[in-house]
Amino acid sequence: DAGVTQSPTHLIKTRGQQVTLRCSPKSGHDTVSWYQQALGQGPQFIFQYYEEEERQRGNFPDRFSGHQFPNYSSELNVNALLLGDSALYLCASSFGVGSVDTQYFGPGTRLTVL
Amino acid sequence: GQQLNQSPQSMFIQEGEDVSMNCTSSSIFNTWLWYKQDPGEGPVLLIALYKAGELTSNGRLTAQFGTTRKDSFLNISASIPSDVGIYFCAGTTGNTPLVFGKGTRLSVIA
Repeated sequence: DAGVTQSPTHLIKTRGQQVTLRCSPKSGHDTVSWYQQALGQGPQFIFQYYEEEERQRGNFPDRFSGHQFPNYSSELNVNALLLGDSALYLCASSFGVGSVDTQYFGPGTRLTVL
Repeated sequence: GQQLNQSPQSMFIQEGEDVSMNCTSSSIFNTWLWYKQDPGEGPVLLIALYKAGELTSNGRLTAQFGTTRKDSFLNISASIPSDVGIYFCAGTTGNTPLVFGKGTRLSVIA
């Protein structure tokens, strides 16, 4: 049984570019949450998707957007990249929107913005 | 964004020693969680706490939900080299997203 998978593992972009990160949830899970983890910090909640809709959102600008597909996989899009967007982006999946205590995290995508 | 106050930031201990770390919040939480993150990996849940005063163990790990509901503690007994990593606390009211601490980096000297 595969856990949460994310792609790509690493990527490098330049300021102003756009990036798309992908996440496949653990089998049986229908809810996906995205987190940003800057170096030396704890994860910060970006948003959560359930039934293909954004259900909750953290304190992130509109440059951060997402999508959930019918197979429950999800994408995180970041437009107009800034140097400060460099971070590890974590995807977490669970069954149901209220199950944050049973989230499984993926290994993350390391984004570097130059 | 909001982060919990987690201490110590880092600690170096000898193998076999016990470890204590704590986490405090300005807000009340209904659930406290403790995670461990290894390099190149996402956080892995160690212990979940749901009730003020609750004391829960998972092997050599013991965590407590503070009675004020604004703090939590994690203890590791008889540390071993594989305990190395970053430990994060996280809290939620149940309907709100998880809020994480900045982590405690644990190094174990054999």
